[in-house]
Amino acid sequence: DQQVKQNSPSLSVQEGRISILNCDYTNSMFDYFLWYKKYPAEGPTFLISISSIKDKNEDGRFTVFLNKSAKHLSLHIVPSQPGDSAVYFCAATGVDSGYALNFGKGTSLLVTP
Amino acid sequence: DAGVIQSPRHEVTEMGQEVTLRCKPISGHDYLFWYRQTMMRGLELLIYFNNNVPIDDSGMPEDRFSAKMPNASFSTLKIQPSEPRDSAVYFCATQAGTYNEQFFGPGTRLTVL
Repeated sequence: DQQVKQNSPSLSVQEGRISILNCDYTNSMFDYFLWYKKYPAEGPTFLISISSIKDKNEDGRFTVFLNKSAKHLSLHIVPSQPGDSAVYFCAATGVDSGYALNFGKGTSLLVTP
Repeated sequence: DAGVIQSPRHEVTEMGQEVTLRCKPISGHDYLFWYRQTMMRGLELLIYFNNNVPIDDSGMPEDRFSAKMPNASFSTLKIQPSEPRDSAVYFCATQAGTYNEQFFGPGTRLTVL
């Protein structure tokens, strides 16, 4: 059963605008969340993470927001750049999953010039 | 460090043949994960090791799949006999400790004819 869900398979955004990628999870024991970016023919690379004790973490153009009550997190990219075009995976983990990552199916982001 | 190294990068084989995928983790990382990526199921965790010991293999689809980690610098994922439905990209990832990012290899694209 998919414990991490990314309900939007794809998203298209204009360069310079904000990209918002969403992720929902079902397991209330998850306490650490990560976003990965994946280019074609490459492995996923870590982008940003957030612990459940926080509700926001920012790193340059990337900000992750966590809403524990809604079991929802989102990744904001501002401003979006064409080089951000990639597949973005949301992942979650916690002690009851043995610290293994549970991944969503990914959202393909296209940033158009 | 060269990162996580996987070989081969591409493998094409015929149904019924044995396939062995290889992974060299980042030195010092004590967790090693094997994932499979397909369009239908996204990134699935197959098995992971901690300090060379298999911790959870519940994601291994069938007895045809087996994984070993004979030492801290090498792991294999074997499929015997292979079937067309095993066609996917297989990733190895490693991690230092818990609640840290995983580093992924470039993946092995397996095609079973």
